[in-house]
Formats: sequence, C-alpha cells, structure tokens
Amino acid sequence: AQTVTQSQPEMSVQEAETVTLSCTYDTSENNYYLFWYKQPPSRQMILVIRQEAYKQQNATENRFSVNFQKAAKSFSLKISDSQLGDTAMYFCALLPIQGAQKLVFGQGTRLTINP
Amino acid sequence: DAGVIQSPRHEVTEMGQEVTLRCKPISGHDYLFWYRQTMMRGLELLIYFNNNVPIDDSGMPEDRFSAKMPNASFSTLKIQPSEPRDSAVYFCASKSGETYEQYFGPGTRLTVT
Repeated sequence: AQTVTQSQPEMSVQEAETVTLSCTYDTSENNYYLFWYKQPPSRQMILVIRQEAYKQQNATENRFSVNFQKAAKSFSLKISDSQLGDTAMYFCALLPIQGAQKLVFGQGTRLTINP
Repeated sequence: DAGVIQSPRHEVTEMGQEVTLRCKPISGHDYLFWYRQTMMRGLELLIYFNNNVPIDDSGMPEDRFSAKMPNASFSTLKIQPSEPRDSAVYFCASKSGETYEQYFGPGTRLTVT
C-alpha cells in the first residue's frame, strides 16, 4: 500500500516570497510518478508539476520546482516569486507505474499568499 | 476540448433520496475515475473504469453506492439511499492509457440533509 503525508496543514507567506511545501511518501514500488496538484477556491484540481521516480533531475515548471529525494522518500514543492493567484490547497500525490491506476493523495496544505 | 464535464455542480437532497451524479470524460480517454473529497478523509478513489469496465471498486464505501459506465462517453455514480455522511465533493477524472496525467472535472458538491 502507498501513503502520502503532508505535515503542514496551513502556510502563509507574503507576495513575491518563496515558499516550500513538504511531502513524504511510502511505497514498496521502485517506479512511480509523483505529482503536485493545486485546488483553488473554484474547486478545480489542476496539475502543477510531475516527477518520474526514475529521473534524478528535479522537475521545473516556470516558478514551480520540486526537490525529489528518492532515498528519503521526500518530494517538496518550491514556489518562487509567489503570487496572489497561488493561494489554494496543494495536494501531493503518488501513482505507481505498474499495476492499478490508483492515485494516492496527501491531506493537503492550505497556502495563502498575502498582499 | 471541453474537458471533463460533471453534472450537476451542486446537489442538495434529503436523507433517503436517490442521488445520481453524471460524468462525461474527455473524448478518447479510456480510463475514468470517481473520487470523493471530504474534510475528514481527504481525496479518496472510489472506483475506476478502463474501457468501460470497472477495474477496482475497493474504495466504494458500501452497497448504497454504485457506478456504471454504459459507454465511453458517460458514467454515473448513484447513491441510494443517501445519508448525511455522504455529503462531500465528488470528482470525476479521466485519462488516456498512454499517459499518466488524470484530468479532473469541476466536481459535484453534494449536500444530504
């Protein structure tokens, strides 16, 4: 079984600051994907960034980047130059490559960007 | 592409009533997923289909819940009879078998009084 843990229920930073959201996970699989999803007040689930576990290079998407530490089973999200529109719930999720297509989510971190 | 379409967006019903949630996946996607989101339990996978066939329904809470996918462009999640603890946001998602990314619909907020 897979588990995903987000230890920060809430975070708050000022606009333009950098913020890092933490995520740890547990799986017996060797190959899997990791994701960060954003859920703004509109409720829509939006994929922010993904990481293939077999790739050592950390993924980057514009202001969003990850720090993937496979041995430590850690997958943190860094948001640079934060913007008011980044205010949302952020969910870390894991998907094994083999077998069932079951996306396992963490409990989420509520991020507020203050003006 | 219109994305994943769910209806209704909001549903308020009384305990004991039957509730049917609907989903239209993205055209060409052969996987469809139903999730439930609550404050207490977060996001949970209820069931998923591949090529209209249910593959894993281990997340379905109990016999009051049922899901069908009669064709590639339509799925329903039915709760009969509904209970207040079923109040949640229900998401439908779809994906192509060739990719890993699941595309989520806007969700249906269900309130059972």
